[in-house]
Amino acid sequence: NAGVMQNPRHLVRRRGQEARLRCSPVKGHSHVYWYRQLPEEGLKFMVYLQKENIIDESGMPKERFSAEFPKEGPSILRIQQVVRGDSAAYFCASSPRRDEQFFGPGTRLTVL
Amino acid sequence: RKEVEQDPGPFNVPEGATVAFNCTYSNSASQSFFWYRQDCRKEPKLLMSVYSSGNEDGRFTAQLNRASQYISLLIRDSKLSDSATYLCGTGTASKLTFGTGTRLQVTL
Repeated sequence: NAGVMQNPRHLVRRRGQEARLRCSPVKGHSHVYWYRQLPEEGLKFMVYLQKENIIDESGMPKERFSAEFPKEGPSILRIQQVVRGDSAAYFCASSPRRDEQFFGPGTRLTVL
Repeated sequence: RKEVEQDPGPFNVPEGATVAFNCTYSNSASQSFFWYRQDCRKEPKLLMSVYSSGNEDGRFTAQLNRASQYISLLIRDSKLSDSATYLCGTGTASKLTFGTGTRLQVTL
């Protein structure tokens, strides 16, 4: 039973580059959530997706950030033109329904 | 005011002690409640869901008080391996909102 998988686990980008974070949910889970965690801060909700649909993106910054969950393949969180303030741990979670969420190991993004 | 508030701690307790954490939430529309455990530089792991009737899982007991809008976690007979940060999360239909966590350090 594979849990939520995320890759890469660590990602280093220079300012202005693009970052692509991938998340494969638990098999059979159709709900995917992305969260960001800054050092010494709590988890902050970013976006909730179901297959091919964005359900709630109220936590996403208005610019440079986008997310998708295509019919086939993993969910992608994309950050364009990264800045130092984007450095954080990005966690993906999945759920079979709209309740208990199971988290992946996270992607630690460092922007130089 | 934060939507979910927790005492950051740290709570330093000896092995075998009983320790309790509280978490208050402000969104009265919250429908689901959870406790997660997060080790340093790791992902949050679901510890237990919290129900109005209260629930128990081994040494862990969780309670929900909707009237006062708080949830609690009680850990009995603390083990060294319980040392971690405990996050409470409250949910609506589309997302969980987390507190910043309470740090527990269990010592010999």
